[in-house]
Amino acid sequence: EAQVTQNPRYLITVTGKKLTVTCSQNMNHEYMSWYRQDPGLGLRQIYYSMNVEVTDKGDVPEGYKVSRKEKRNFPLILESPSPNQTSLYFCASSLWGQGEQTYEQYFGPGTRLTVT
Amino acid sequence: ILNVEQSPQSLHVQEGDSTNFTCSFPSSNFYALHWYRWETAKSPEALFVMTLNGDEKKKGRISATLNTKEGYSYLYIKGSQPEDSATYLCASRAGYALNFGKGTSLLVTP
Repeated sequence: EAQVTQNPRYLITVTGKKLTVTCSQNMNHEYMSWYRQDPGLGLRQIYYSMNVEVTDKGDVPEGYKVSRKEKRNFPLILESPSPNQTSLYFCASSLWGQGEQTYEQYFGPGTRLTVT
Repeated sequence: ILNVEQSPQSLHVQEGDSTNFTCSFPSSNFYALHWYRWETAKSPEALFVMTLNGDEKKKGRISATLNTKEGYSYLYIKGSQPEDSATYLCASRAGYALNFGKGTSLLVTP
């Protein structure tokens, strides 16, 4: 089954304790992205990756790191989480076309993170 | 940062009503316009991806149009059903980034 998986689905942690949220897709997609969803603010892009070893900042990258060592995986790292990073996080992936080609994104199930 | 605006913020209609939402986006550096449907406790799912001015796409009772020159897209739902209740998101692709609007929350009551 074609899918995007995220782990963990729920996490409660304390300020300053490093954590990683994993994201994996089995569709051989080039493009992967992380979003956070907060009430009243909609989905905001944190980081995206166009392919292996190619990543770039989205709208809200502060406090986050990513890596893309393999095509299928795109982990989100919070080196020192703070309460303002409490949010619902989505990973997504899609094919990537040249120029104006664009493709729909497939979203993972979401990770609800609480930082106390 | 591109500002993608959606209106209305929320909508409550009766079963059988037809409805439409608007997505406005900056027309400069435009690559594509996405529409997603997001049900509560689920993940967003793609409805349409449109790139060309004048594009029209249809999936069942849902259709969308695109005007890239003036920077807007309309999503139409014909004969709304309770199962159409969801948040509808649009997103504009500029370069490599995808910028989402805040969504329109639709509630359809029997």
